[in-house]
Amino acid sequence: GAVVSQHPSWVICKSGTSVKIECRSLDFQATTMFWYRQFPKQSLMLMATSNEGSKATYEQGVEKDKFLINHASLTLSTLTVTSAHPEDSSFYICSHRDRGRGNTEAFFGQGTRLTVV
Amino acid sequence: GEDVEQSLFLSVREGDSSVINCTYTDSSSTYLYWYKQEPGAGLQLLTYIFSNMDMKQDQRLTVLLNKKDKHLSLRIADTQTGDSAIYFCAESDTGGFKTIFGAGTRLFVKA
Repeated sequence: GAVVSQHPSWVICKSGTSVKIECRSLDFQATTMFWYRQFPKQSLMLMATSNEGSKATYEQGVEKDKFLINHASLTLSTLTVTSAHPEDSSFYICSHRDRGRGNTEAFFGQGTRLTVV
Repeated sequence: GEDVEQSLFLSVREGDSSVINCTYTDSSSTYLYWYKQEPGAGLQLLTYIFSNMDMKQDQRLTVLLNKKDKHLSLRIADTQTGDSAIYFCAESDTGGFKTIFGAGTRLFVKA
């Protein structure tokens, strides 16, 4: 199956700093990219959706100035958590949808565990 | 809005069958998915079913869909300890762009 590489897999940062998470689709072009957040023992909550060449669409309650999404190309998406605080500590997962598979299947990255101290 | 619900825990003995249930509310759902998540990892797509189907079988996995009741189930035959994980039910619409996930069912397999 298609591979989505997410980096880093874990990061610890100080409160007030910014953290960038990268997500690359290695062997396919992703029309649409999604960023999810997962709290312990909870489901994935969609944060934002982006299509290449246009601005991301954020879900209600997600601060777009805090969670910056850049859909740089059909294979790369980045999420930057700006001025991180301890409550931003979570598991972040990206997902790319394969244009070649008619949008029936999304592929997920390995996830990034962010801990803000 | 759309909602997907599933029970939080299931415990079975190795070799038994596991059945994980899910209900959804969006009648326009076109694709219904089952994902597996192992500790600290991303999601792995196990299988999916189109809304015009009522059953799909793939090796040890059987998916049953009751569209009238908006009920989806995943049966794992001959459950193994390696099947211990969290299983997420999810649905998306015709465009397939937005996927809504359930809270996940944590499957424990006892040896």
